Amino acid sequence: AQTVTQSQPEMSVQEAETVTLSCTYDTSENNYYLFWYKQPPSRQMILVIRQEAYKQQNATENRFSVNFQKAAKSFSLKISDSQLGDTAMYFCAFYTDKLIFGTGTRLQVFP
Amino acid sequence: DTAVSQTPKYLVTQMGNDKSIKCEQNLGHDTMYWYKQDSKKFLKIMFSYNNKELIINETVPNRFSPKSPDKAHLNLHINSLELGDSAVYFCASSLADRPYNEQFFGPGTRLTVL
Repeated sequence: AQTVTQSQPEMSVQEAETVTLSCTYDTSENNYYLFWYKQPPSRQMILVIRQEAYKQQNATENRFSVNFQKAAKSFSLKISDSQLGDTAMYFCAFYTDKLIFGTGTRLQVFP
Repeated sequence: DTAVSQTPKYLVTQMGNDKSIKCEQNLGHDTMYWYKQDSKKFLKIMFSYNNKELIINETVPNRFSPKSPDKAHLNLHINSLELGDSAVYFCASSLADRPYNEQFFGPGTRLTVL
């Protein structure tokens, strides 16, 4: 069975700094997709970034980028130039036939 | 212009009652989902429907019954509510033919069972 592990329950970062959130997963599949979702206090789930497992190039979306290490089954999220609005829960998720979420990392951005 | 909407946003009820949560999407998607987020923020899929057909049914008590009257709607009916049903329930939708299956989530319904 596929599992997704986020080992950091909470993280904090100062505004304008960079922070990296960790995610590892376990699967025997070769083709799959990985996502990072953001859930701010409004509780709306927002897609931040996605990565196709067959692509070696790491995905980037503005200040958000991933470090995808397929052999290590690792998928970390880097947030550059952190902003107060980045304060949220961040969920790593794995998809083959269904979306499986990690337990989340609560990120607090301080002024 | 709401993409995925849920009603109600908050629901407070007594144990033993029956309640429904409604979900509608106007994105033209053909697949809809229900997720449950517990008090520890853990998010887990419950059901998935594609073109009104049930395709994913996780280990969920029989008291939960999804109903999809058409592709744009997926409702969740819960019988004999229990304290452990208190959670936030999210509806989501996607297009099945997209390989990465990007799912768009509704705002969630916070259910509190007293």
